[in-house]
Order: sequence, then C-alpha cells, then structure tokens
Amino acid sequence: AQTVTQSQPEMSVQEAETVTLSCTYDTSESDYYLFWYKQPPSRQMILVIRQEAYKQQNATENRFSVNFQKAAKSFSLKISDSQLGDAAMYFCALDGGATNKLIFGTGTLLAVQP
Amino acid sequence: DSGVTQTPKHLITATGQRVTLRCSPRSGDLSVYWYQQSLDQGLQFLIQYYNGEERAKGNILERFSAQQFPDLHSELNLSSLELGDSALYFCASSARSYDYGYTFGSGTRLTVV
Repeated sequence: AQTVTQSQPEMSVQEAETVTLSCTYDTSESDYYLFWYKQPPSRQMILVIRQEAYKQQNATENRFSVNFQKAAKSFSLKISDSQLGDAAMYFCALDGGATNKLIFGTGTLLAVQP
Repeated sequence: DSGVTQTPKHLITATGQRVTLRCSPRSGDLSVYWYQQSLDQGLQFLIQYYNGEERAKGNILERFSAQQFPDLHSELNLSSLELGDSALYFCASSARSYDYGYTFGSGTRLTVV
C-alpha cells in the first residue's frame, strides 16, 4: 500500500521568513511523482510544485522548493520569504504511476503572521 | 479558472435523496478523477475514468456511482444520502492515464440535512 504522512498538523511563520513543511511517503513503485498542493480558504486545490522520482535535482518554483530524499522517502517543502497569501492548508501527495490515483496526506495548516 | 468545471458549486439536500455532480475536464484531458474531502479531512480518492472506461476505484461506497460520457464529461451519482456524505467533492483531470499532471476543479459542496 502507498501512504503519505504529514506529521505537522499546524505550522506558523513570520512574514518574510522561511518555513519548511515535512512529508514522508511509502511506495514500492520505482517510478512515481510527488506533489505539494495548496488549499486556501476558497478550498480550491492549487498545484504548488511537483517532483519526478527519477530526477535527482530538487524542483524549484520561485519561492517554493523541495528537499527530495529518495532513500529516506522524504519530500519536504520550503517556502522562502513567506507572504500573507501563503496562508493555507498544504497537502503532500503521491502518484505511484501504475496506481492511477493521487494519494494525499492529511495536510499542514500554515499560518503567516504579519 | 483551472479549466476543470464542476457544477453545481453548492448543493443542499435531505437524507435519503439522490444527487448528481457534474464535471467537465480540461480540454484535451482524457482522465477524470473524483475525490471526497470531508470537514477537516484530507482528500479521499473515489474513482477514476479514462476515456470512458473505469480505470481505478478507491473507497467509493456502493451508494455512489460514476460514469464518463463520450464527450468526456463525468457525473458522480450519490444516492440514499446520509448526513455523513456531507463533504466537498472534487473532480480532477489529466491528459493521460499515467500522466503526472492533475488539474482540480473548484469542487461541489454537498450538504445533507
């Protein structure tokens, strides 16, 4: 079975500071993809960043970057220069390729303090 | 606008009733996925269709069913509704069955009273 675990139910960061959200996963697939999705109060699911498991280089999208540790099955999200608009629920997700579905963690609620 | 359209946005209905949620995928996407998000919960995978055929099934109740039509839009049918079915139902689409790109609609909020 494939699982995604987010051990931080809530996090808080000061505006302009950096925060890291943790995610661990488990899969027996050799080819898979990992995602971070943001869900603001509007409840829309917004793709933040994605990582292909076969790529060793960590993905980066502007202020968002990941630390992908394949052997440790860890996939953390770093948000730099945090902004008030970053406040949201963040979900880590795994697509095991052959499993035809996206498996989500339970989410981390991020608060950004002005 | 993500390109994935879900209707209606809100739905309030009584226990025991039946409702249909509709999803139009992003243009060109062949796969449609349905997810359920209960209050303060993560997203639970319900079912996937690829080009009209059921491809994968998750924790979908027998009271729920879905289909994908030739024009690729999909409908999720929920029957004999219970209070616990109240949730946000998301549809997502992707271009190929194994594509790693998923685009989500804005969801349908179902309230069962």
